[in-house]
Amino acid sequence: AQSVTQLDSQVPVFEEAPVELRCNYSSSVSVYLFWYVQYPNQGLQLLLKYLSGSTLVESINGFEAEFNKSQTSFHLRKPSVHISDTAEYFCAVSDPNNDMRFGAGTRLTVKP
Amino acid sequence: EADIYQTPRYLVIGTGKKITLECSQTMGHDKMYWYQQDPGMELHLIHYSYGVNSTEKGDLSSESTVSRIRTEHFPLTLESARPSHTSQYLCASTRTGRGYTFGSGTRLTVV
Repeated sequence: AQSVTQLDSQVPVFEEAPVELRCNYSSSVSVYLFWYVQYPNQGLQLLLKYLSGSTLVESINGFEAEFNKSQTSFHLRKPSVHISDTAEYFCAVSDPNNDMRFGAGTRLTVKP
Repeated sequence: EADIYQTPRYLVIGTGKKITLECSQTMGHDKMYWYQQDPGMELHLIHYSYGVNSTEKGDLSSESTVSRIRTEHFPLTLESARPSHTSQYLCASTRTGRGYTFGSGTRLTVV
C-alpha cells in the first residue's frame, strides 16, 4: 500500500516570492502522483499529475512538480506566487489497482 | 463544468433528523467515494463503492450509510444527525487510478 507525507502543514509566503510545497511518498510499485488544490468551501480540483513520461509536469497557472523516483518525492513549485494562490494543497498517490491516498494537506498563505 | 454533482451545498439541520446527501456523476465511473473533512484539515475516507451493489466502509468510522443502486448515484444517509456530524462531506469518482474527480462538497451543520 502507498502512503503520502506532506512535510509542511503551513507555508506562509509573500506575493511574488517563489514557493515549494514538499511531498514524499512510499510505495512498492509504480505509482501515479497528483497535486490537488482546494479553495475555501470548495471540493478538490486537480492541479497536475504525473502518470508516465517526462518527470516534470506543469499546470496551466504556473505551478510545476517534478517526480523524483530516487528520492520518492513530488514537490510542487511556483517561481512567483499570487494572492489568489492562497489555498490548501493536497498531494496524492495511487496505482492502477489501488485507491488514492492523500497527504494531510499544506495550507499556502500568500501575503501582500 | 462539473461532471460530479453534490446537493445540497449547505445544510443546517436539527439534532435527530434523518438526512441524505446526494452525489451523482455523469462520467460512467465505476468507483465512487465519500470523504469527511473538517475545515482546513485532511480528508478522511468514510465509504466507497466499486460498482453497483458494492459498498464498503472506509478508514474512518462513520455512523452514516451509503447505497449504490445505479452507477451514477451514490447517496450518503445519516439516520439521526448529531452535532458531531458537523463537517464538510466530499464525493469523488474515478474510472481508474488516474485521478479522482471531486464534487463541490456539502457543508453540514447540525444544531
